[in-house]
Amino acid sequence: SYELTQPPSVSVSPGQTARITCSGDALPKQYGYWYQQKPGQAPVLLIYKDTERPSGIPERFSGSSSGTTVTLTISGVQAEDEADYYCQSADSSATYVFGTGTKVTVL
Amino acid sequence: QVQLVQSGAEVKKPGASVKVSCKASGYTFSRFAIHWVRQAPGQRLEWMGWINAGKGHTKYSQKFQGRVTITRDTSAGTAYMELSSLRSEDTALYYCTRLYDIDAFDIWGQGTLVTVSS
Repeated sequence: SYELTQPPSVSVSPGQTARITCSGDALPKQYGYWYQQKPGQAPVLLIYKDTERPSGIPERFSGSSSGTTVTLTISGVQAEDEADYYCQSADSSATYVFGTGTKVTVL
Repeated sequence: QVQLVQSGAEVKKPGASVKVSCKASGYTFSRFAIHWVRQAPGQRLEWMGWINAGKGHTKYSQKFQGRVTITRDTSAGTAYMELSSLRSEDTALYYCTRLYDIDAFDIWGQGTLVTVSS
């Protein structure tokens, strides 16, 4: 089955830049999406179609894609960005998958 | 206000079934697919399946094929997820979410905790 692999954890100091990668064989052909989940809350959409940001999402969140990897970048990290982050994609048969998840810790 | 509201927490015994509802409001229910995603305690998000809310077509994750059934009642604007032959590993928070026209999950229900325990 299709899998998306993320680093388990990323640590970053306030004001610095955090980058979270997501690797999957189908990503060159399928879009990547990113969600933020804080404890006790439902996920929130951060990035869609690799690079697009929904209205209301701060500009410090951005997405990029290269080959089999999509990347979420958080520029100027704030304490409130401490959360779990999940990438998500789908395959050509409309089967969806979430990444393994990355816990971002703000030092 | 666009939202998805799910039914309340459930406690089930191993081998039983559970049916969770997800009521949509603030938009035309039949226009967008509803997906179901679960999250075991401390674990990752896990996609279970989806239903075309207009036509009723479904697709399920291979992992749950044969145990999960997703249905909808368009007149009630509600989707349902039924999971059978429950085991302790099915203890999780179950979410419904809408796949919007940007092909992303833009709104989520509040989650329904299903606990499987003898």
